[in-house]
Amino acid sequence: EDQVTQSPEALRLQEGESSSLNCSYTVSGLRGLFWYRQDPGKGPEFLFTLYSAGEEKEKERLKATLTKKESFLHITAPKPEDSATYLCAVQAGEGKTSGSRLTFGEGTQLTVNP
Amino acid sequence: EPEVTQTPSHQVTQMGQEVILRCVPISNHLYFYWYRQILGQKVEFLVSFYNNEISEKSEIFDDQFSVERPDGSNFTLKIRSTKLEDSAMYFCASSDSWVLNTQYFGPGTRLTVL
Repeated sequence: EDQVTQSPEALRLQEGESSSLNCSYTVSGLRGLFWYRQDPGKGPEFLFTLYSAGEEKEKERLKATLTKKESFLHITAPKPEDSATYLCAVQAGEGKTSGSRLTFGEGTQLTVNP
Repeated sequence: EPEVTQTPSHQVTQMGQEVILRCVPISNHLYFYWYRQILGQKVEFLVSFYNNEISEKSEIFDDQFSVERPDGSNFTLKIRSTKLEDSAMYFCASSDSWVLNTQYFGPGTRLTVL
């Protein structure tokens, strides 16, 4: 069974204080790892897709990296508007008949104080 | 920018009643999904749908649930006889490919079963 574990559960930062969120996974044949942002009462908003170990993606103050066992979401000089829950999800399976379901972690709730 | 839309935003129903949740996926997408998120818990996969049939479903998606694409734009989730434990946020998602796909989520429908 695919498993995704995110840490920490909650993170409180001061504006400008850089940090990283962790997503560790145990899957049979990783096809893709996805990062989403979720605001309270809203749907997940797509941020990044990573497909292979060593891959990195960047968008504004966010940078996602991937190894064979985990992914990190680095937040550089965060602002209060970066406050949200960040979700990690994996898609796994091998071959054309494998499914495309996403398996999500519990998320990291980030609060950035001004 | 194209987006997934969902109606209603909030649905309140009595236990045992039938509900239909509606989604309009992104127009050129062919793969459709339903997920749910019970308050305070992780996002969970329910079902995927392609070419007018279910591609994959989770153990949550039992005989109480059904999905349909009644026309060229809508995608629906029906719960035949709602239970208290069906109370959750229901998210529709769509993607334009099966392999290495990015799923884009709608804003969700909050279902409250009394």
